[in-house]
Formats: sequence, C-alpha cells, structure tokens
Amino acid sequence: DIQLTQSPSSLSASVGDRVTITCRASQSLSIYLNWYQQKPGKAPNLLIYAESNLQSGVPSRFSGSGSGTDFTLTISSLQPEDFATYYCQQTYSIPLTFGGGTKVEIK
Amino acid sequence: QVQLVESGGGVVQPGRSLRLSCAASGITFSSYGMHWVRQVPGKGLEWVAVISYDGSNEYYADSVKGRFTISRDNSKNTLYLQMNSLRGDDTAVYYCAGTSLGYPDYYFRYGVDVWGQGTTVTVSS
Repeated sequence: DIQLTQSPSSLSASVGDRVTITCRASQSLSIYLNWYQQKPGKAPNLLIYAESNLQSGVPSRFSGSGSGTDFTLTISSLQPEDFATYYCQQTYSIPLTFGGGTKVEIK
Repeated sequence: QVQLVESGGGVVQPGRSLRLSCAASGITFSSYGMHWVRQVPGKGLEWVAVISYDGSNEYYADSVKGRFTISRDNSKNTLYLQMNSLRGDDTAVYYCAGTSLGYPDYYFRYGVDVWGQGTTVTVSS
C-alpha cells in the first residue's frame, strides 16, 4: 500500500499568512494526488484534484503542485474560513489512501 | 440540489451485520463513481471501497475485504454497503461520496467531490 506522510501535523498561522502543507508519498503517484479540507462535524470538501487542478467553486488562493512523490498545498493568503484540517489522498493505486491530516489553527 | 443522504447506521454487536444505504439526488447517479469513506471521531479519513458507475468494478481496503460489499442500484439512485462480521475497529462515521470526474474509465482517479453528511456505526456488545 502507498503511504502518505503529511507535514506538519499541525500549524498555527494568522489571517493573511501564506501557508504551505506538504504530502510525501512512499512511491511515485504520477499526478494522482488530491487535497481535501474538513471542518469539525462536516464531510470533507475537495479542493484540488490531480495534483494541481482547482475544483470548481474553490477560491483561487488554494493551489497545488508536485513532482511524483512530493506534493504541496498552498494557501496564498489565509482567510478566517480556512481554519480546518487538510488531507491529501492518493488515487494512483488501490487501495486508495489518505495522509494523516494537517490541522491549521489560529495563531 | 446535489444531495447524498446516508442511512442505516446504528449500534450493533460484534460479529453481526449491518447495511448502509445512500440515496442520491440532484446528480446523474449512473455517471458517478461511488465510494464509502469512514472516520473514527477525532481521527483521520480511511477509504473503504469504490464501485464504478455501472457497478462492473469494485475495490476494497484490505481492512474490510471479504467482510464488506459495496453495490449500487442505478434505477433507485442508491448506493449500499453490506457490512458483515463487524468488529470494534469498524466503529466510525461512514460517508457516502462520489464523483463524475474521470467518467467513465477514470472513475476513482480524480478525487471525490460530492459527499453525504455521514452515518454513525458503533460496534459494541
């Protein structure tokens, strides 16, 4: 199974900050890495699919990039509604797997 | 509007069975690859199973293979998860989720963009 390691596991940031979350895979995923946002008590919400494609309706301050095994989610200017937990997911091979999550908290 | 509504969760004893349902509306259900994803409260997400848009292909996490079966009835716009031989570590919130991204052949490649609200399964004696 492909393992995904997210870092950091948590971070504190202020509104307006640029935030970067990384996801490292145990083997190459080509482009098949997705990012989700989850708020407490809610279902996850797809932000980025296939490494860098912004899901419809997601603000453009979210972006994704990567290169085979190392992927990055960037929030260019953190907004109050962005405080949440973020998960990466690989869809390169079965079984599909998620990273452990990154909790973004208010500084 | 787009909606996935899960039902069938509850408290069940270890070793028993439970069937979850997920009713879809506002989408062309027969064009959606559908998943079950679970989450222990306070913990991370765990993918459980996926089924292709026409039900011809299905895949499972190792932790549920041989015990759980995903299925769908496109005439009823409904997804199912039959869970047998339940264990304590199956206790979680179960989400139904789907996507038409990548239809038809890449039905699980591009993430999942429609989610239900989740139904709670508690396995306890």
